[in-house]
Amino acid sequence: QKEVEQDPGPLSVPEGAIVSLNCTYSNSAFQYFMWYRQYSRKGPELLMYTYSSGNKEDGRFTAQVDKSSKYISLFIRDSQPSDSATYLCAMSGGNFNKFYFGSGTKLNVKP
Amino acid sequence: GAVVSQHPSRVICKSGTSVKIECRSLDFQATTMFWYRQFPKQSLMLMATSNEGSKATYEQGVEKDKFLINHASLTLSTLTVTSAHPEDSSFYICSVGGYEQYFGPGTRLTVT
Repeated sequence: QKEVEQDPGPLSVPEGAIVSLNCTYSNSAFQYFMWYRQYSRKGPELLMYTYSSGNKEDGRFTAQVDKSSKYISLFIRDSQPSDSATYLCAMSGGNFNKFYFGSGTKLNVKP
Repeated sequence: GAVVSQHPSRVICKSGTSVKIECRSLDFQATTMFWYRQFPKQSLMLMATSNEGSKATYEQGVEKDKFLINHASLTLSTLTVTSAHPEDSSFYICSVGGYEQYFGPGTRLTVT
């Protein structure tokens, strides 16, 4: 079983739609949860991070963590064509000596 | 956030030669840097953790004699792919930071 599971997609939505991206994990020691956006042939870019359980909002993006279910989500409101990219979830324990990444979900927002 | 650069951005080399990839943290003193490899349509696979002034820590299955890592200063780590083969062709990415990891733009290696 992988440490982090993420549906690879692709996920195709019309412009303006609400997008839900999800990851599940197996290690209850994870405390930090991150979402990265990666455009083709580029390095990942940090979008949001959350510590422990709860929600965090930043503009059109909302990250949710449910540690009891070992499930994290990223919601994108009013999606734009520029949001088209691969979204990677990542998580770590408290010492940051290793990060575990999901396989990435490819999102396509159609104009 | 931290700015991380990588050089070169793309490199093509012949099988059997060695290639050095540099990772520079421009505004962050990094005692630790991470090196990842990413195959097409796959996620990041951690290869090794580069430690400033000491030996790198390699993940299981990564040959340390083939992927030489040197972390000579708080702003520079290098990854040398020795005796490269076509199966080493991949996208190599480094990162620095704490819980907020900042990634370099990546280096695309093609071995012919």
